[in-house]
Formats: sequence, structure tokens, C-alpha cells
Amino acid sequence: DTEVTQTPKHLVMGMTNKKSLKCEQHMGHRAMYWYKQKAKKPPELMFVYSYEKLSINESVPSRFSPECPNSSLLNLHLHALQPEDSALYLCASSQGQGFSEAFFGQGTRLTVV
Amino acid sequence: QQQVKQSPQSLIVQKGGIPIINCAYENTAFDYFPWYQQFPGKGPALLIAIRPDVSEKKEGRFTISFNKSAKQFSLHIMDSQPGDSATYFCAASKNNQGGKLIFGQGTELSVKP
Repeated sequence: DTEVTQTPKHLVMGMTNKKSLKCEQHMGHRAMYWYKQKAKKPPELMFVYSYEKLSINESVPSRFSPECPNSSLLNLHLHALQPEDSALYLCASSQGQGFSEAFFGQGTRLTVV
Repeated sequence: QQQVKQSPQSLIVQKGGIPIINCAYENTAFDYFPWYQQFPGKGPALLIAIRPDVSEKKEGRFTISFNKSAKQFSLHIMDSQPGDSATYFCAASKNNQGGKLIFGQGTELSVKP
């Protein structure tokens, strides 16, 4: 089973709202990622968690706050977003740091109004 | 700076044809080269991947050819079908970068019946 599950599938939020995106995997993977994908563009890395510790932050604005409560779960907390933050947010996981075979979830389509 | 260049941007072939998508990279430290397939509204799905010690890898109808000296790799889809119509992304990563993937810009493939 190579499934990464993301919820919700769609989210519309106002610029003053606080919301969270959730990601779950049960493959025993120890590295988890958040990517952002704009329309007709490739995914761009935001954050990497390795063994539940944040290992890479690609200079993402503080209005995006990641959290890894345990080895199976990854959250992305959103606050005071801008319309240009509207995108497909993808979660991925891989076996561990340095093991590059990454599996993606279906994504959360976020619209900021 | 674009580290992985992908071409063509779009490609139309007839059913049964062999579309070829090319990628070139600059950083010789890259040591893992996956291809992802993405359907509209879905997350990228890992198709096939190769490491620099191998010049060719086949999985079903998908073949990666790798030219280390030219720093190029390509995806061939044999006997293409309308169901293969999707966006294809090449990517590259370094083993010590914790699975951080650098994606090409993507190729939108359309296979006509």
C-alpha cells in the first residue's frame, strides 16, 4: 500500500481565517513533505520532516506553520493567507532521509478569498 | 536557476505512438531521477526512477534512458494509449538532501485515439 491520504480535498478560506491541512501515511515512512503546486507548474518543496523533526524549511512565510505530531501524521496550519497562496497543496512521504522514493497524496485544493 | 530542464512543454501523439520526453540537469551531485505522472486534480504518481549507475530501465510500457556524460535522461512510452494522457514531470534529487525533489517544468501529453 503506497497511500498518502490528505484531508480536506478542497478548502475555501478567507484571509482572516485559520485552517489546517492534514496528511496521513501508514507505510512506516519516516520522512514527510509539504509541496505547493500552482496551476500548470511543477510542485515546489515547502517543508521536510525527518523522524518527526523539521529538517528543511524552504524559506516559507510564517503564515504557513507545519507540525508533525507523530511519524504517521503531518499537518499544515494556515493563518492570514493571501489570495496568491491559492494552490494545490501536496503531502508526500518517503522511507527516510536520503531514501528518495517519494509518494504523493491527492492534494488539497486551497482557495483563498 | 532552473536545475532540471524538461522538453517539450506539450506533446500530441496518435494511439500506439512512442512519445519521448527529455530532461537535462546541471548538478552532477544528483543521484536519483524519478518520473511522475499527474492527472488533472490529482497528486503526482511515481512511474519509474533510475540511478546514474544504470543506462536504461524498463517497467511495463515505460522506459528511462540515462546518459550520464551528457547529463540527460528521457522517458519513452511504448504503445501509448489515450489513458496515458496526463502531465509528466521529471525530477532529480541528491541522496544527502533528504528526498528533496527538483522538478522539471512538466510535459502535457495528449494521446489521440
